[in-house]
Amino acid sequence: GAGVSQSPRYKVAKRGQDVALRCDPISGHVSLFWYQQALGQGPEFLTYFQNEAQLDKSGLPSDRFFAERPEGSVSTLKIQRTQQEDSAVYLCASSLGGTVGLGPLSEQYFGPGTRLTVT
Amino acid sequence: AQKVTQAQTEISVVEKEDVTLDCVYETRDTTYYLFWYKQPPSGELVFLIRRNSFDEQNEISGRYSWNFQKSTSSFNFTITASQVVDSAVYFCAPTPGYSSASKIIFGSGTRLSIRP
Repeated sequence: GAGVSQSPRYKVAKRGQDVALRCDPISGHVSLFWYQQALGQGPEFLTYFQNEAQLDKSGLPSDRFFAERPEGSVSTLKIQRTQQEDSAVYLCASSLGGTVGLGPLSEQYFGPGTRLTVT
Repeated sequence: AQKVTQAQTEISVVEKEDVTLDCVYETRDTTYYLFWYKQPPSGELVFLIRRNSFDEQNEISGRYSWNFQKSTSSFNFTITASQVVDSAVYFCAPTPGYSSASKIIFGSGTRLSIRP
């Protein structure tokens, strides 16, 4: 596809349920990022992959959050035992380069996001 | 660590007016990037500009212009002759320097409304 795609676009979960959010990056993009955007706030970094390696997971808010990218392309963000505070839009972004400082290669392209509502 | 302040929470102007969105950032990195992103009502973040910390030249792209002043840690964004389609939330965002992954640290954003 032409851009980053995410599915589902909307997800409603009951508190305590597990959810899995999918991100399909732009083909050939080395880097993949997950962000969480609460209502009225800017996106906040969750985690970063370079190919299949998760190089930074410092933004994951708790051990209920888990991300993987086993083959270096599609990524899944899993949230276990969802809580109401997990309600947010989850954004995925990909970039061509694997290293900052490569100018245009570091530009991140964002997907439309998955809006998660925990009731 | 980086911190960005977008003091203007919301701005509303009439179409064709010029508008400037302010951004002040703090960073201990000597090398870093600064970004502006636009988030229209559809929700998808759109890249507008990337600046590296070594390049303090102002930039103009059509109706958009950016003023980067390292001495005051500001990276302001001006839209000339605003249009209704410019209505969106705009985020200023610094990133760490070249030695680490380019995770973007977003500010809280400025909601811009252009009235016809």
